[in-house]
Amino acid sequence: KNQVEQSPQSLIILEGKNCTLQCNYTVSPFSNLRWYKQDTGRGPVSLTIMTFSENTKSNGRYTATLDADTKQSSLHITASQLSDSASYICVVNTYSGAGSYQLTFGKGTKLSVIP
Amino acid sequence: DAGVIQSPRHEVTEMGQEVTLRCKPISGHDYLFWYRQTMMRGLELLIYFNNNVPIDDSGMPEDRFSAKMPNASFSTLKIQPSEPRDSAVYFCASSLEGGGYSENTIYFGEGSWLTVV
Repeated sequence: KNQVEQSPQSLIILEGKNCTLQCNYTVSPFSNLRWYKQDTGRGPVSLTIMTFSENTKSNGRYTATLDADTKQSSLHITASQLSDSASYICVVNTYSGAGSYQLTFGKGTKLSVIP
Repeated sequence: DAGVIQSPRHEVTEMGQEVTLRCKPISGHDYLFWYRQTMMRGLELLIYFNNNVPIDDSGMPEDRFSAKMPNASFSTLKIQPSEPRDSAVYFCASSLEGGGYSENTIYFGEGSWLTVV
């Protein structure tokens, strides 16, 4: 069964500090991996999309890495700001044949940045 | 662009009542998705449309749920009759040709928060 596991479930850090969120997946065959940011009470917003051949992709202070061999991804946030407080969701896209793809969602990591 | 627009933002209804959620996708997007989000299960795909045609409805929990897309700019998700376990946030999302099932970005609406009492 395709699964996406994220850790930690929740995290509290001080403003200005860095943090790394983890995503492990067991889906196959792999197509791409996405990270979304979801503010409380809002819809998810795409941060990055990485294909099999990409190891790193940045979006401002957000840097995602992908190791397709170990089926792991991480999202690193640099110099955290209060506005980074949100849930971060890892989503893996798999190809299930006949032009059909399937997205498997992690349950997210809830990040709280405190002053 | 105004993004994906959903209504209502919040709905409280009694068990047994019919609930209709509405969605206007981003203009020009060929794919439309309905998701449900709960604390326990996270985000789950309910159904998606390509060019107004339902492609995969395997995520629809049961016959009480139905979705339609009468034209490229409007979709509805209906629950009849509603039950307390349907309480969740329902998101509509849209994407360009190739859909979220490629490298195209999926754009989510702000969600409809449903509470069934």
